[in-house]
Amino acid sequence: DIVLTQSPATLSLSPGERATLSCRASQSVGSFLAWYQQKPGQAPRLLIDDASNRATGIPARFSGSGSGTDFTFTISSLEPEDSAVYYCQQRMNWPLTFGGGTKVEIK
Amino acid sequence: EVQLVESGGGLVQPGGSLRLSCTASGFTLTSYAMNWVRQAPGRGLEWVSTISGSGVSTYYSDSVRGRFTISRDNSRNTLYLQMNSLRAEDTAVYYCARRTNYYDSSGTARWGAFDIWGQGTMVTVST
Repeated sequence: DIVLTQSPATLSLSPGERATLSCRASQSVGSFLAWYQQKPGQAPRLLIDDASNRATGIPARFSGSGSGTDFTFTISSLEPEDSAVYYCQQRMNWPLTFGGGTKVEIK
Repeated sequence: EVQLVESGGGLVQPGGSLRLSCTASGFTLTSYAMNWVRQAPGRGLEWVSTISGSGVSTYYSDSVRGRFTISRDNSRNTLYLQMNSLRAEDTAVYYCARRTNYYDSSGTARWGAFDIWGQGTMVTVST
């Protein structure tokens, strides 16, 4: 199975700051990586697919980059509503796997 | 509006069975690969199962293979997850989710990320 390791586990930043999240795969997933946002009590929401393509309706402050085994997700300027857990997910191989998540807290 | 609504969760004893349903609206189920993803309390997301648009192909995680069965009723635009021999570690919120479709640069049809999610249904396996 492809293991996705996300870091840091928690990120605490102020509004307007830049958030940088990492997702590292145990083997190459090409560009077959997605990012999701999940707020408490809600279903996940797709933000990014194919490592860098924003999903429909996703604000431009959210971006993704990387390929192979190292990926980065960036929120360029944090808004209070960005407080959530962010997950990466690969679809290169079965079984589909998710990272353990990064919790973004807004100070 | 494109929407998925799950139902069928509840409390069940270890070894028992439960069938989850997921009804789609705003799109036709046969056009997409459909999936179940679960989340144990306080934990991360875990993919459980996928069924192709035609229903011919199914995929399962090792943790549920042989115990869970994914299926669909296209006439009802509904996805199912039959869960047998339930264990305490199956306790989770179960989400149904749709995967996107696209063609890559070589013209090969591919499934993308999970773009539409239901609100989830809670399954608790306990005495």
